[in-house]
Amino acid sequence: GAVVSQHPSWVICKSGTSVKIECRSLDFQATTMFWYRQFPKQSLMLMATSNEGSKATYEQGVEKDKFLINHASLTLSTLTVTSAHPEDSSFYICSARDSGTSDRETQYFGPGTRLLVL
Amino acid sequence: AQTVTQSQPEMSVQEAETVTLSCTYDTSESDYYLFWYKQPPSRQMILVIRQEAYKQQNATENRFSVNFQKAAKSFSLKISDSQLGDAAMYFCAYLWGGDDKIIFGKGTRLHILP
Repeated sequence: GAVVSQHPSWVICKSGTSVKIECRSLDFQATTMFWYRQFPKQSLMLMATSNEGSKATYEQGVEKDKFLINHASLTLSTLTVTSAHPEDSSFYICSARDSGTSDRETQYFGPGTRLLVL
Repeated sequence: AQTVTQSQPEMSVQEAETVTLSCTYDTSESDYYLFWYKQPPSRQMILVIRQEAYKQQNATENRFSVNFQKAAKSFSLKISDSQLGDAAMYFCAYLWGGDDKIIFGKGTRLHILP
């Protein structure tokens, strides 16, 4: 089955530093990936849609200069949280759509990355 | 704008019993998809079941089935023979066929009582 990995699974960093989170589709190609944020005991909120070879599309209210997204290959998208602050602490989940099929509806989710900013 | 509402923040069911999780949604579109996702304590999102709006027949996956009422915009999930491993957060979700974005409900936390 389609597998999506995320690295790291958890990260602790100091306030003011930048953190990069990787999302990889392991056995399929993904021209489109999605980044979500989930606060404790809350639902998933879409942050941005990552498109291979082009700029990401950010949802309203998401600072694109703070959450940098790069989708440089068909199997890798990265989310960089720049100048992280404690309020950026959250659970970040990525998902990917298999561009090798006609199924546009199914998204495969990564296991998530827990970020704690001290 | 499309919305997904789950009115039950938490539910409990005795092991081996049947439980139904409710979900309503609002949309003006005719081509869309509905999903139930499970998020166990590991926080890995797992697709439980999906329903295409154009299909009248309710989707089923083993012990999981849905009651899709298109006119009422209702999409409930029935779990039969509940097992301890079913304990998780369950999210109802909507996707318009002309878009990429999945809209999630706020979730229902399901407890299984041994």
